[in-house]
Amino acid sequence: EPEVTQTPSHQVTQMGQEVILRCVPISNHLYFYWYRQILGQKVEFLVSFYNNEISEKSEIFDDQFSVERPDGSNFTLKIRSTKLEDSAMYFCASSDRVYEKLFFGSGTQLSVL
Amino acid sequence: AQSVAQPEDQVNVAEGNPLTVKCTYSVSGNPYLFWYVQYPNRGLQFLLKYITGDNLVKGSYGFEAEFNKSQTSFHLKKPSALVSDSALYFCAVGGYNNNDMRFGAGTRLTVKP
Repeated sequence: EPEVTQTPSHQVTQMGQEVILRCVPISNHLYFYWYRQILGQKVEFLVSFYNNEISEKSEIFDDQFSVERPDGSNFTLKIRSTKLEDSAMYFCASSDRVYEKLFFGSGTQLSVL
Repeated sequence: AQSVAQPEDQVNVAEGNPLTVKCTYSVSGNPYLFWYVQYPNRGLQFLLKYITGDNLVKGSYGFEAEFNKSQTSFHLKKPSALVSDSALYFCAVGGYNNNDMRFGAGTRLTVKP
């Protein structure tokens, strides 16, 4: 079965540094998402992306966050200046159409020190 | 924005017994409801969805869920639990365009032999 790929699996960074989390969605999918999960608990919506622009974003997704689909296959999440509270597992997801299930990657564990 | 509530942090059942994991939702308009499962150190995996049609939907691994509009609920059920069903279960609701799928806080299911 096709899968969503995320790299790296773990990222450690210093507070204030920029990080880029990378995702390769399933190739024929059109809708892309970032979620995060803190300490294995609630899964929080960050942003959705369709047709090369943000469709929806949550209150968490402030000016420090940005997303990009630079080359038609990758989908990245950038955190410009990381804070301690950004430490979480970040999941990328994709789907091929509206009202359809999401396929999730295995996540990137971000640790901000 | 739409939301879901999972009132139980933890559900414990004995192997072979029926299980129920509860979910209630809040949304404007028609709900698009999903259940996902997360095993340790993995991304979320789709179990089943309700978009329209029969109120009882069947999904992967013998799970099913019942949509109840009057009670705004979408409880996950299985007639006979397995130890391997032990995992974290998330209910999710999508809005009219599903570009903003919101997850519940999760319920940890433990099935004991």
